[in-house]
Amino acid sequence: AQTVTQSQPEMSVQEAETVTLSCTYDTSESDYYLFWYKQPPSRQMILVIRQEAYKQQNATENRFSVNFQKAAKSFSLKISDSQLGDAAMYFCAYRWGSNTGNQFYFGTGTSLTVIP
Amino acid sequence: KAGVTQTPRYLIKTRGQQVTLSCSPISGHRSVSWYQQTPGQGLQFLFEYFSETQRNKGNFPGRFSGRQFSNSRSEMNVSTLELGDSALYLCASSPEGRADGYTFGSGTRLTVV
Repeated sequence: AQTVTQSQPEMSVQEAETVTLSCTYDTSESDYYLFWYKQPPSRQMILVIRQEAYKQQNATENRFSVNFQKAAKSFSLKISDSQLGDAAMYFCAYRWGSNTGNQFYFGTGTSLTVIP
Repeated sequence: KAGVTQTPRYLIKTRGQQVTLSCSPISGHRSVSWYQQTPGQGLQFLFEYFSETQRNKGNFPGRFSGRQFSNSRSEMNVSTLELGDSALYLCASSPEGRADGYTFGSGTRLTVV
């Protein structure tokens, strides 16, 4: 069974500093996709970044980048130059690379506080 | 481009009642998924609909059901409400590609009293 684990329930970072959120997952599949979502107090989940498992290069989106270690089944999110607007709940998610369904498995989330 | 629209935003119901939640996906998205979010259990998959057919179902009792219409709009229904059904219900739509992430709505906050 696919499971996603986020071992840091809460994290904090000083504004303009860098923070890394951890995520590990368990799967026997070789074809899959990984995502980070952000959920601010407004409740809407926002896609931050995605990574295809077959790509060795780590994905980057502006200040957000990932460290994808396929053998270790690790997928951490690095936020550089943290801003107040980055404060939110962050969820790591896994999607099996199958055409038979679109189910995502989510971790329990990490609450990020940005200190001015 | 309009996002995923969920109605209503808030709902208060009494134990034993039933409730229907609505979700309008992004235009062109044929896959609609529903999740229940609670502080204790996190995000739990309810079901996915694709082209009016339920393609995937999570581990929830039969009181939870859903459907999808020809315009891809989806509804989920919970019958015989229990206090434990109080949660944020999130709807997400997706194009057909395997690498596509979800676009979520803002959810419906259901409180059962």
